[in-house]
Amino acid sequence: DGGITQSPKYLFRKEGQNVTLSCEQNLNHDAMYWYRQDPGQGLRLIYYSQIVNDFQKGDIAEGYSVSREKKESFPLTVTSAQKNPTAFYLCASIPRDSNVLTFGAGSRLTVL
Amino acid sequence: QKEVEQNSGPLSVPEGAIASLNCTYSDRGSQSFFWYRQYSGKSPELIMFIYSNGDKEDGRFTAQLNKASQYVSLLIRDSQPSDSATYLCAVKGAGGTSYGKLTFGQGTILTVHP
Repeated sequence: DGGITQSPKYLFRKEGQNVTLSCEQNLNHDAMYWYRQDPGQGLRLIYYSQIVNDFQKGDIAEGYSVSREKKESFPLTVTSAQKNPTAFYLCASIPRDSNVLTFGAGSRLTVL
Repeated sequence: QKEVEQNSGPLSVPEGAIASLNCTYSDRGSQSFFWYRQYSGKSPELIMFIYSNGDKEDGRFTAQLNKASQYVSLLIRDSQPSDSATYLCAVKGAGGTSYGKLTFGQGTILTVHP
């Protein structure tokens, strides 16, 4: 089945550690996105990429980094510079010239 | 001022009633409007989208768009307990080449009680 796979589903991190969240899609979608969701809030855009080897900052990129070496993969690294990383992270993708996002199941990060 | 605003609720309706969810947006040039449903702990799933002024119906769901008033709503007829979820309004802004870059509201929690 085509879809978006995020891993891990749950992740615990100590302060000062970097962690990487995986996002893989087999939908042949061009664009991929990372959103963050905090309790009682909507989704906020961290980074997005519309083509391999290119990506743009979203509204809350500070403390995060991404790469897009393959069309299928868009990993997100939460660095120690991110002040409040505990959140639900959602990866999404979209085909060219569409505005309908398809989401992965999400990764919940908790900083201990 | 938030770009996309929703009443966070919770909105409580009895089973079988009509649930009305509202969303306003600040970018007058916004082109596309989306409603997502999100169950607790899960990722959002698309209910429907609307591009043109007026109503768009899909089963028990109706999206209404009024660009002059910068207002989009979602009506759920014959509400069921399984409709209990958070409903997210999302808007695609004007112009640009960044297709799919949506701005989300904070969501409205809907509870349908038997």
